[in-house]
Amino acid sequence: EAQVTQNPRYLITVTGKKLTVTCSQNMNHEYMSWYRQDPGLGLRQIYYSMNVEVTDKGDVPEGYKVSRKEKRNFPLILESPSPNQTSLYFCASSSMMGYEQYFGPGTRLTVT
Amino acid sequence: KNEVEQSPQNLTAQEGEFITINCSYSVGISALHWLQQHPGGGIVSLFMLSSGKKKHGRLIATINIQEKHSSLHITASHPRDSAVYICAGLNTGNQFYFGTGTSLTVIP
Repeated sequence: EAQVTQNPRYLITVTGKKLTVTCSQNMNHEYMSWYRQDPGLGLRQIYYSMNVEVTDKGDVPEGYKVSRKEKRNFPLILESPSPNQTSLYFCASSSMMGYEQYFGPGTRLTVT
Repeated sequence: KNEVEQSPQNLTAQEGEFITINCSYSVGISALHWLQQHPGGGIVSLFMLSSGKKKHGRLIATINIQEKHSSLHITASHPRDSAVYICAGLNTGNQFYFGTGTSLTVIP
């Protein structure tokens, strides 16, 4: 089954404790992206990747890192999480930039 | 000001009604994405279009690049169409900008 998986689905952590949210797709897609969704602000793009070893900043990249060492994986790294990074995070992929995206189920992160 | 604006923010319709959700954008875009977010939070892609019109079942999406406007239509609406509908513009810098969504409730 074609899908985008994210782990963990729910995470409660404390300020400053490094964490990684994994994202994996099994469709051999070139394009992958991370978004955060906040009430009243909607979805905002954090980082995206056009292909392996190619990443670029989205609208709100501050406080986040990403890597794309393999085509299928695109982890989101929070080196020192802060409470303002409490949000619902979505990973998505598409065959190429500009094509319809497949979204993961979301990761709800709470930073206390 | 958000680069992508949607209207209405909230919409309640009777089952069977024809529904239109509008999306306008102030930046240059190469394509526009319509998404559906279910009450449980999952997001599904409906359409990606850069010109003209696309149809899938009871859903129709249109875009006028020159007028910077897109519409999503739902014909013969059904309670299972109740969801949040989100449009997103892909700008020339390869970034997506999202509207804040239209919450649709279809009453039986």
